[in-house]
Order: sequence, then C-alpha cells, then structure tokens
Amino acid sequence: GQQLNQSPQSMFIQEGEDVSMNCTSSSIFNTWLWYKQDPGEGPVLLIALYKAGELTSNGRLTAQFGITRKDSFLNISASIPSDVGIYFCAGHALPLDDKIIFGKGTRLHILP
Amino acid sequence: DAGITQSPRHKVTETGTPVTLRCHQTENHRYMYWYRQDPGHGLRLIHYSYGVKDTDKGEVSDGYSVSRSKTEDFLLTLESATSSQTSVYFCAISALFLQDFWSEQFFGPGTRLTVL
Repeated sequence: GQQLNQSPQSMFIQEGEDVSMNCTSSSIFNTWLWYKQDPGEGPVLLIALYKAGELTSNGRLTAQFGITRKDSFLNISASIPSDVGIYFCAGHALPLDDKIIFGKGTRLHILP
Repeated sequence: DAGITQSPRHKVTETGTPVTLRCHQTENHRYMYWYRQDPGHGLRLIHYSYGVKDTDKGEVSDGYSVSRSKTEDFLLTLESATSSQTSVYFCAISALFLQDFWSEQFFGPGTRLTVL
C-alpha cells in the first residue's frame, strides 16, 4: 500500500533548539496532518493543511504543505521539555478515499 | 477534546479467547476507524466504518471483525486472540468536511491489549 517516508526517525536535541522534520510521498496528497503522541496517549492533532503551499502556525509549531503536494514539513522553534514525544505526519492521498495514510513517526528526545 | 472513549483501557487475556474492544463517540461523526500501533510499524488501519452497518477492511484486517449498529459505537472483535495481536489499539473518528476534502481524524486514548 501507499506509504509516507517520514524523517528523521529520531532526534536528540538540546532544550531551546529548533527542530525540523518532514514527510515525503510518491503520491499527490490533498491533505497533510501533523500529530503528536505522548507516552500512553492517543495521537493529538497539531496542524492540518489543505492547500498546496499553505504555511500554518500553531504557537511554536509551523507546518507547510509542499508545492508539489508530495511533501510537508513541521518545524518546532525553541524546543521545551514538553515537546518530547512522537510526531506523525499523515494525509489523504489522491485519488480521494476515506482513509488516512500515516508516516512511522519521528521520536523527539530533549537532552537535559 | 473530541468526545471519544475506549473501553477497556487495559486488558490481559489468553490465547484463543474472544475479545471485544469498544469505541464510543459523542461527536456524531460518520467515520470511525480502528488502528493498531506496534513498535516499528506506526499506526496500521484494521477496519473502518463509513456509516451504521457500513464497514470495510484496512491493511491488517485478518483475525479481526467489526460491527457498528449505532452511530456512536464501533466494536472491534478478536474472535480467537493470538499473541501476535498484542498491541495498543486506537479508535479514531472523522467527519466529511467538504465535497473534496476530509476533516481531520481525532483519536481515542487507546486500549493496551496483552495476549498471553
């Protein structure tokens, strides 16, 4: 089936650093979603993108829907300890169907 | 937070026993989904429903069945649990947004199932 390539798989950063992660696909997507999952919890939606080129912010988080519609990135500025967790990209590919495809996640670690 | 609950939150069972997990929503969303999450595999779709009594298979449906008799409830059944079905199970919901777009999926808190 279709897959999203999400990178990096894991990141180790210092508190206060900026973070960047991305997802790419061989298919065109019409929706990109970014989720965060804390340990023992379900994924929580951070940002939803619906238009190619769209750049959307949510506090210290910024995500963009790539112009080619085959990629998206998520940036986190000035990381803090509560940013630790797993970040998933997801989206609806074309042709449209009612299922979302998920990346395998980026695990973010923040060093003391 | 989207009104999604899952029960039970934790379950330990033995190989060969039947298990039913419940997802309940208060959002009146049309679509409901069951995923399993395992290390190295991310979230994998088991089954989903696009309306009452309307369901379809996902990528890892073998060994699982589902039922949806009411909009608010979506049940996942393991007819005869196996150790390979030890996993964390998540329910999700979404609504049709616009004609050519789909709304976001919202996830429940998960059920941790251990099959001994």
